[in-house]
Amino acid sequence: DGGITQSPKYLFRKEGQNVTLSCEQNLNHDAMYWYRQDPGQGLRLIYYSQIVNDFQKGDIAEGYSVSREKKESFPLTVTSAQKNPTAFYLCASSIGSGKPSGNTIYFGEGSWLTVV
Amino acid sequence: AQSVTQPDIHITVSEGASLELRCNYSYGATPYLFWYVQSPGQGLQLLLKYFSGDTLVQGIKGFEAEFKRSQSSFNLRKPSVHWSDAAEYFCAVGQNTGGFKTIFGAGTRLFVKA
Repeated sequence: DGGITQSPKYLFRKEGQNVTLSCEQNLNHDAMYWYRQDPGQGLRLIYYSQIVNDFQKGDIAEGYSVSREKKESFPLTVTSAQKNPTAFYLCASSIGSGKPSGNTIYFGEGSWLTVV
Repeated sequence: AQSVTQPDIHITVSEGASLELRCNYSYGATPYLFWYVQSPGQGLQLLLKYFSGDTLVQGIKGFEAEFKRSQSSFNLRKPSVHWSDAAEYFCAVGQNTGGFKTIFGAGTRLFVKA
């Protein structure tokens, strides 16, 4: 089935550690996104990529890094510089074309990150 | 700058009753509008979307939404709620410049009582 796969579902990080969340899509979408979700705050955009080997900061990029070496993969690294990383992280993708339908965003199942 | 507001943090309805979730947006041009549903600990699932044309759009799971330009609203409705509809609902507004311009409301938590 086509979709977006995030792993792991649950991840625990010790203070001072970097951790990487995986995101793979087989929808052949050009654009991919990472969002952070905190209770009562909706979704906030961390990074996005509209094409391979290119990515842009979103609203809350500090303490995070990404890469886009392949069209289907967009891993997110939460670095030790992120002071409050405990949250639910959602990867997403869209077609990315100039047509209206290209703006529809589809989501993975999410990953929980907890600092211990 | 565009914005989206969901005035109700949570709503409780009885099973079988009708539902309306409110969404108001601020955007200068015709927006792209979306409703998503999220079950606890899961990702967001697209319910329906509006780009242009007929202002009443039908979605999955029996949901519909109506775009009212004069009120800057895109309210979600369902005539008869089922217990399985209990979830969080997000309204989102975007532009035809790429999904990275899409912003999400804070969500409305729906509780369904028997």
